[in-house]
Amino acid sequence: QQPVQSPQAVILREGEDAVINCSSSKALYSVHWYRQKHGEAPVFLMILLKGGEQKGHDKISASFNEKKQQSSLYLTASQLSYSGTYFCGTGKGGSQGNLIFGKGTKLSVKP
Amino acid sequence: EAQVTQNPRYLITVTGKKLTVTCSQNMNHEYMSWYRQDPGLGLRQIYYSMNVEVTDKGDVPEGYKVSRKEKRNFPLILESPSPNQTSLYFCASRPGLAGLTGYEQYFGPGTRLTVT
Repeated sequence: QQPVQSPQAVILREGEDAVINCSSSKALYSVHWYRQKHGEAPVFLMILLKGGEQKGHDKISASFNEKKQQSSLYLTASQLSYSGTYFCGTGKGGSQGNLIFGKGTKLSVKP
Repeated sequence: EAQVTQNPRYLITVTGKKLTVTCSQNMNHEYMSWYRQDPGLGLRQIYYSMNVEVTDKGDVPEGYKVSRKEKRNFPLILESPSPNQTSLYFCASRPGLAGLTGYEQYFGPGTRLTVT
């Protein structure tokens, strides 16, 4: 039931783009994206709901393919500050209290 | 300052000695959750609460208890800790309001627990 993230890790140079994917074997109502820097707590990035609503950062975008039960996070023109581990979380049902996170994708941006 | 606080931040204890990790939020949030984070496993939800006196199991609830007697507090209780509960624990809260803003979850700083 845990969503599967790919890739597990990626190394970029500043200015390069990256895509992080999240897929689930279960029907999704929502997909949540968080970033965790080393030694810190996770921080909210994006939420995408079934039906197309979304809310998030200006410089980070994401898509949600309901039919394929997949979401992708797009990091364009990456900056050093983008480094960290990215987690997707999937919500079940209407209450959305139970969030299941993937194992994370570690992103390293080099100068 | 709007925040989620956890105490203690670090704890080393012995097997079987009951402990409580406190969590408090000052944002009047409806939803609160506990997660544990282990290398290679990501964040796994232990318990969550949708309101006062309403709690439900997450994905890894065995060995843990919670209570939600007040809206702001959501303590995590380990009645008889075991070494496999050694982990980094995060408390989180979110508004729970209708609309997208209600889904933004705020995490506490984490509690690193070691059970020997």
